[in-house]
Amino acid sequence: DILMTQSPLFLPVTPGEPASISCRSNQSLLHKNGYDYLEWYLQKPGQSPQLLIYLSSSRASGVPDRFSGSGSGTDFTLKISRVEAEDVGVYYCMQPLQIPYTFGRGTKLEIK
Amino acid sequence: QVQLVESGGGVVQPGGSLRLSCEASGFSFSSHDMHWVRQAPGKGLEWVAFIRYEGSQQYHADSVKGRFTISRDNSKNVLYLQMNSLTSDDTAIYYCAKLGRSFGSGLDSWGQGALVTVSS
Repeated sequence: DILMTQSPLFLPVTPGEPASISCRSNQSLLHKNGYDYLEWYLQKPGQSPQLLIYLSSSRASGVPDRFSGSGSGTDFTLKISRVEAEDVGVYYCMQPLQIPYTFGRGTKLEIK
Repeated sequence: QVQLVESGGGVVQPGGSLRLSCEASGFSFSSHDMHWVRQAPGKGLEWVAFIRYEGSQQYHADSVKGRFTISRDNSKNVLYLQMNSLTSDDTAIYYCAKLGRSFGSGLDSWGQGALVTVSS
Protein backbone atom coordinates (compact mmCIF):
# COMPACT_ATOMS: atom_id res chain seq x y z
CA ASP A 1 0.00 0.00 0.00
CA ILE A 2 1.14 3.56 -0.67
CA LEU A 3 1.88 5.37 2.58
CA MET A 4 0.90 9.03 2.74
CA THR A 5 2.63 11.23 5.30
CA GLN A 6 1.32 14.69 6.11
CA SER A 7 2.91 17.49 8.07
CA PRO A 8 2.28 19.29 10.23
CA LEU A 9 -0.53 17.47 11.99
CA PHE A 10 -1.64 20.68 13.67
CA LEU A 11 -1.49 24.13 12.08
CA PRO A 12 -2.51 27.31 13.94
CA VAL A 13 -2.78 30.26 11.55
CA THR A 14 -3.59 33.95 11.92
CA PRO A 15 -6.36 35.13 9.58
CA GLY A 16 -4.93 36.75 6.48
CA GLU A 17 -1.67 34.85 6.79
CA PRO A 18 -0.59 32.09 4.41
CA ALA A 19 -0.56 28.41 5.29
CA SER A 20 1.15 25.39 3.81
CA ILE A 21 0.64 21.65 4.27
CA SER A 22 3.03 19.00 3.06
CA CYS A 23 2.12 15.52 1.86
CA ARG A 24 4.68 12.88 0.95
CA SER A 25 4.12 9.44 -0.52
CA ASN A 26 6.46 6.48 -0.30
CA GLN A 27 5.91 5.71 -3.99
CA SER A 28 5.72 8.03 -6.96
CA LEU A 29 2.21 9.21 -7.82
CA LEU A 30 3.26 10.14 -11.34
CA HIS A 31 1.22 8.16 -13.87
CA LYS A 32 2.65 7.27 -17.27
CA ASN A 33 0.17 9.77 -18.73
CA GLY A 34 2.20 12.55 -17.11
CA TYR A 35 -0.29 13.44 -14.37
CA ASP A 36 0.31 13.16 -10.65
CA TYR A 37 -2.56 11.39 -8.89
CA LEU A 38 -2.80 13.32 -5.66
CA GLU A 39 -5.93 14.89 -4.17
CA TRP A 40 -6.66 17.22 -1.28
CA TYR A 41 -9.81 17.21 0.81
CA LEU A 42 -11.07 19.47 3.56
CA GLN A 43 -13.38 18.22 6.29
CA LYS A 44 -14.92 21.17 8.08
CA PRO A 45 -16.17 20.60 11.63
CA GLY A 46 -19.28 18.44 11.65
CA GLN A 47 -19.32 18.08 7.85
CA SER A 48 -18.48 15.53 5.21
CA PRO A 49 -15.18 15.88 3.36
CA GLN A 50 -15.09 18.08 0.29
CA LEU A 51 -12.75 17.93 -2.68
CA LEU A 52 -10.32 20.83 -3.01
CA ILE A 53 -7.63 19.72 -5.45
CA TYR A 54 -7.20 16.83 -7.88
CA LEU A 55 -4.33 15.79 -10.14
CA SER A 56 -2.00 17.59 -7.73
CA SER A 57 -2.83 21.12 -8.87
CA SER A 58 -6.31 21.31 -10.40
CA ARG A 59 -8.85 23.15 -8.27
CA ALA A 60 -12.24 21.52 -7.93
CA SER A 61 -15.34 23.41 -8.98
CA GLY A 62 -16.23 26.23 -6.60
CA VAL A 63 -12.96 26.14 -4.66
CA PRO A 64 -11.59 29.66 -3.99
CA ASP A 65 -8.40 30.54 -5.81
CA ARG A 66 -6.60 31.16 -2.52
CA PHE A 67 -6.17 27.37 -2.47
CA SER A 68 -3.43 25.94 -4.66
CA GLY A 69 -1.78 22.57 -5.00
CA SER A 70 1.66 21.77 -6.30
CA GLY A 71 4.22 19.00 -6.42
CA SER A 72 5.12 15.93 -8.37
CA GLY A 73 6.35 12.41 -7.80
CA THR A 74 6.38 11.91 -4.05
CA ASP A 75 6.34 15.45 -2.67
CA PHE A 76 3.23 17.65 -2.66
CA THR A 77 2.04 20.86 -1.06
CA LEU A 78 -1.30 22.52 -0.43
CA LYS A 79 -1.08 26.27 0.03
CA ILE A 80 -3.64 28.76 1.24
CA SER A 81 -2.55 32.24 0.24
CA ARG A 82 -4.58 34.07 2.91
CA VAL A 83 -6.36 31.99 5.51
CA GLU A 84 -9.94 32.86 6.33
CA ALA A 85 -12.02 31.77 9.31
CA GLU A 86 -14.07 29.41 7.11
CA ASP A 87 -10.94 27.42 6.24
CA VAL A 88 -10.78 25.71 9.64
CA GLY A 89 -10.99 21.95 9.61
CA VAL A 90 -8.90 18.90 8.83
CA TYR A 91 -7.08 18.69 5.52
CA TYR A 92 -6.34 15.28 4.02
CA CYS A 93 -4.23 14.27 1.07
CA MET A 94 -5.19 11.08 -0.75
CA GLN A 95 -3.69 9.04 -3.55
CA PRO A 96 -6.10 7.45 -6.08
CA LEU A 97 -3.34 6.01 -8.24
CA GLN A 98 -3.32 2.56 -6.75
CA ILE A 99 -5.89 0.41 -4.96
CA PRO A 100 -6.21 0.67 -2.01
CA TYR A 101 -6.66 4.42 -2.07
CA THR A 102 -4.82 5.81 0.93
CA PHE A 103 -5.18 9.01 2.94
CA GLY A 104 -2.74 10.98 5.02
CA ARG A 105 -3.48 11.26 8.74
CA GLY A 106 -4.83 14.76 8.31
CA THR A 107 -3.72 18.28 9.24
CA LYS A 108 -5.94 20.22 11.60
CA LEU A 109 -5.98 23.91 10.72
CA GLU A 110 -7.03 26.22 13.50
CA ILE A 111 -7.40 29.98 13.62
CA LYS A 112 -5.16 31.69 16.16
CA GLN B 1 -27.88 19.45 -7.71
CA VAL B 2 -25.98 16.30 -6.80
CA GLN B 3 -27.33 14.53 -3.74
CA LEU B 4 -26.08 11.40 -2.03
CA VAL B 5 -28.14 10.17 0.90
CA GLU B 6 -26.94 7.26 2.99
CA SER B 7 -29.24 5.12 5.09
CA GLY B 8 -29.21 1.82 6.93
CA GLY B 9 -26.82 2.68 9.72
CA GLY B 10 -27.43 1.73 13.31
CA VAL B 11 -26.29 -0.36 16.25
CA VAL B 12 -25.41 -3.98 15.61
CA GLN B 13 -23.86 -6.69 17.75
CA PRO B 14 -20.40 -8.10 16.98
CA GLY B 15 -20.72 -10.75 14.30
CA GLY B 16 -23.86 -9.18 12.94
CA SER B 17 -24.70 -7.77 9.53
CA LEU B 18 -25.92 -4.49 8.13
CA ARG B 19 -26.60 -3.14 4.67
CA LEU B 20 -25.99 0.50 3.88
CA SER B 21 -27.69 2.24 0.98
CA CYS B 22 -26.78 5.44 -0.80
CA GLU B 23 -29.49 7.02 -2.91
CA ALA B 24 -28.13 9.22 -5.67
CA SER B 25 -29.84 12.03 -7.52
CA GLY B 26 -28.99 15.07 -9.61
CA PHE B 27 -26.50 13.34 -11.88
CA SER B 28 -26.20 10.39 -14.22
CA PHE B 29 -25.55 7.74 -11.60
CA SER B 30 -24.89 4.95 -14.10
CA SER B 31 -22.01 6.96 -15.61
CA HIS B 32 -19.95 7.38 -12.45
CA ASP B 33 -17.70 5.13 -10.39
CA MET B 34 -18.68 5.15 -6.73
CA HIS B 35 -16.82 4.69 -3.46
CA TRP B 36 -17.37 4.05 0.23
CA VAL B 37 -15.07 5.80 2.71
CA ARG B 38 -15.33 5.47 6.48
CA GLN B 39 -14.22 7.43 9.51
CA ALA B 40 -13.92 5.87 12.94
CA PRO B 41 -14.82 8.17 15.87
CA GLY B 42 -12.18 10.88 16.22
CA LYS B 43 -10.02 9.33 13.51
CA GLY B 44 -9.06 10.01 9.92
CA LEU B 45 -10.51 8.84 6.64
CA GLU B 46 -10.19 5.26 5.42
CA TRP B 47 -11.08 4.11 1.92
CA VAL B 48 -13.34 1.03 2.02
CA ALA B 49 -14.52 0.04 -1.45
CA PHE B 50 -14.98 1.09 -5.06
CA ILE B 51 -17.26 -0.05 -7.87
CA ARG B 52 -17.05 0.79 -11.53
CA TYR B 53 -19.91 2.71 -13.12
CA GLU B 54 -21.44 -0.35 -14.77
CA GLY B 55 -20.83 -2.58 -11.78
CA SER B 56 -18.45 -4.97 -13.52
CA GLN B 57 -15.51 -4.41 -11.18
CA GLN B 58 -15.37 -4.01 -7.42
CA TYR B 59 -12.44 -3.47 -5.10
CA HIS B 60 -12.32 -3.65 -1.33
CA ALA B 61 -9.80 -2.66 1.32
CA ASP B 62 -7.97 -5.58 2.91
CA SER B 63 -9.54 -4.66 6.27
CA VAL B 64 -13.01 -5.52 4.92
CA LYS B 65 -12.27 -8.00 2.16
CA GLY B 66 -14.36 -11.14 2.44
CA ARG B 67 -16.77 -9.43 4.86
CA PHE B 68 -18.05 -6.38 2.99
CA THR B 69 -19.44 -6.22 -0.53
CA ILE B 70 -20.06 -3.12 -2.59
CA SER B 71 -22.77 -3.26 -5.23
CA ARG B 72 -25.09 -0.97 -7.14
CA ASP B 73 -28.46 -0.91 -8.86
CA ASN B 74 -28.26 1.55 -11.72
CA SER B 75 -31.96 1.15 -12.46
CA LYS B 76 -32.72 2.54 -8.97
CA ASN B 77 -29.74 4.93 -8.65
CA VAL B 78 -28.63 3.23 -5.45
CA LEU B 79 -25.23 2.18 -4.14
CA TYR B 80 -24.98 -0.50 -1.45
CA LEU B 81 -22.51 -1.78 1.09
CA GLN B 82 -23.32 -5.17 2.56
CA MET B 83 -21.41 -5.59 5.81
CA ASN B 84 -21.11 -9.02 7.45
CA SER B 85 -19.15 -10.36 10.42
CA LEU B 86 -18.93 -6.91 11.93
CA THR B 87 -16.44 -6.14 14.67
CA SER B 88 -15.90 -3.14 16.91
CA ASP B 89 -13.20 -1.96 14.49
CA ASP B 90 -15.94 -1.37 11.92
CA THR B 91 -17.59 1.28 14.11
CA ALA B 92 -17.49 4.41 11.98
CA ILE B 93 -19.34 6.93 9.90
CA TYR B 94 -19.65 5.51 6.39
CA TYR B 95 -19.70 7.97 3.51
CA CYS B 96 -20.60 7.22 -0.07
CA ALA B 97 -18.76 9.36 -2.58
CA LYS B 98 -19.00 9.94 -6.29
CA LEU B 99 -15.98 9.96 -8.54
CA GLY B 100 -15.80 12.87 -10.95
CA ARG B 101 -15.97 12.46 -14.67
CA SER B 102 -12.84 10.30 -14.98
CA PHE B 103 -10.02 8.52 -13.19
CA GLY B 104 -8.13 11.06 -11.12
CA SER B 105 -10.82 13.74 -11.11
CA GLY B 106 -11.46 13.30 -7.40
CA LEU B 107 -14.35 12.30 -5.16
CA ASP B 108 -16.34 15.40 -5.95
CA SER B 109 -19.53 14.73 -3.98
CA TRP B 110 -20.03 13.03 -0.63
CA GLY B 111 -23.08 12.00 1.32
CA GLN B 112 -23.75 13.12 4.88
CA GLY B 113 -22.66 9.75 6.21
CA ALA B 114 -24.30 6.83 8.03
CA LEU B 115 -23.17 5.91 11.53
CA VAL B 116 -22.54 2.24 12.19
CA THR B 117 -21.92 1.21 15.78
CA VAL B 118 -20.83 -2.33 16.54
CA SER B 119 -21.40 -3.05 20.19
CA SER B 120 -22.83 -5.71 22.45
